[in-house]
Amino acid sequence: SSELTQDPAVSVALGQTVRITCQGDSLRYYYASWYQQKPRQAPVLVIYDKNNRPSGIPDRFSGSSSGNTASLTIAGAQAEDEADYYCNSRDSSGNHPHVIFGGGTKVTVL
Amino acid sequence: QVQLQQWGAGLLKPSETLSLTCAVYGGSFSGYYWSWIRQPPGKGLEWIGEINHSGSTNYNPSLKSRVNVSVDTSKNQFSLKLSAVTAADTAAYYCARGENQRVLKNYYYYIMDVWGQGTTVTVSS
Repeated sequence: SSELTQDPAVSVALGQTVRITCQGDSLRYYYASWYQQKPRQAPVLVIYDKNNRPSGIPDRFSGSSSGNTASLTIAGAQAEDEADYYCNSRDSSGNHPHVIFGGGTKVTVL
Repeated sequence: QVQLQQWGAGLLKPSETLSLTCAVYGGSFSGYYWSWIRQPPGKGLEWIGEINHSGSTNYNPSLKSRVNVSVDTSKNQFSLKLSAVTAADTAAYYCARGENQRVLKNYYYYIMDVWGQGTTVTVSS
């Protein structure tokens, strides 16, 4: 079955830029969606489609994709951006469509 | 504004059946996929399964033999049953609304834009 691969952890200095990547075969025909999850909270959608942000998500969050790799960039990271980030897509390549998540990337703001 | 509210038993014994329900308030039930996702303590998100308004389901292959997702459109609710639970099923369980959109000839996006508050389920003897 299809998988999405993320680096487990990354750190960024306050105010600097960090990029998180997600790789997987499904990303050749699905734009990745990205979710932010803080401790003891439900995930929140932050980026979807080619590079769209839901209402209320700061414009320092952006997304991009190329081939089988999607990226989430936080430009000018803030303390409140410290969280786990998950990529997600759908795999409709076989007879049984299903949803897949990456393993998550823990972002630490120093 | 669409909201999801979920409920169900939080403490189970091994071999029992987990049962959770999610109610959809403030929006249409049709045109979306309604999913269950779980997250074991300290681990990542795992998709369990989904259903649409007409009752068509898809399941995570690793859980398929134990999972049943059903829908009650008259109440705008959908439910999860997971049988024969073990300690490995201990997790926070979430319901979520999924939307699948075609944006280019051969390109799509899939989002889960509304989530329930989560239910902590513990399996212990």
